[in-house]
Amino acid sequence: AQSVTQLDSQVPVFEEAPVELRCNYSSSVSVYLFWYVQYPNQGLQLLLKYLSGSTLVKGINGFEAEFNKSQTSFHLRKPSVHISDTAEYFCAKEYGNKLVFGAGTILRVKS
Amino acid sequence: DAGVTQSPTHLIKTRGQHVTLRCSPISGHKSVSWYQQVLGQGPQFIFQYYEKEERGRGNFPDRFSARQFPNYSSELNVNALLLGDSALYLCASSLGPDVTDTQYFGPGTRLTVL
Repeated sequence: AQSVTQLDSQVPVFEEAPVELRCNYSSSVSVYLFWYVQYPNQGLQLLLKYLSGSTLVKGINGFEAEFNKSQTSFHLRKPSVHISDTAEYFCAKEYGNKLVFGAGTILRVKS
Repeated sequence: DAGVTQSPTHLIKTRGQHVTLRCSPISGHKSVSWYQQVLGQGPQFIFQYYEKEERGRGNFPDRFSARQFPNYSSELNVNALLLGDSALYLCASSLGPDVTDTQYFGPGTRLTVL
């Protein structure tokens, strides 16, 4: 089955604290993984992607993600969040040259 | 440079009606993909077009159709609207047809079916 599971629907965190948004996927032959961010009333913006190579991927706005093949995970992390990081984050994986998205995690950064 | 643009921003239809949504890709991008995002869920792939040909289709009924024009803009058509078609419809463009080509999303069209 083609599925991407985001384990937390909402993650509240205080400003300047670290955060991890979890993502697991059902395995397939190819492993192309993505994280997107969606701000209110906007489309999706690519944060980072894993296509091959180093398992630690760095993206925009200080985010990074680690690909773990054995655990079929691709968790997103940021060492210190800002109020402006409040948004919904989507993990996605390629299946048959199509993107399959998880249900999303709302990150709420509190002051 | 202009990003992906979509029109209209919002629209309201009643059950059984037909709707056409429009998308203009980033200049130079030849691939357009359409997604449906129901409230509280992630986007779900509907169609991909590249060089005016359909390259991929998601698990949607035949009421959904699309096309791409010579200038690479695209239309998504939905016939016989159902309440469950209420969603944000997103268009994304990319240089090429592969999923490894970065997709750039438009702001979406919010469709409400009453």
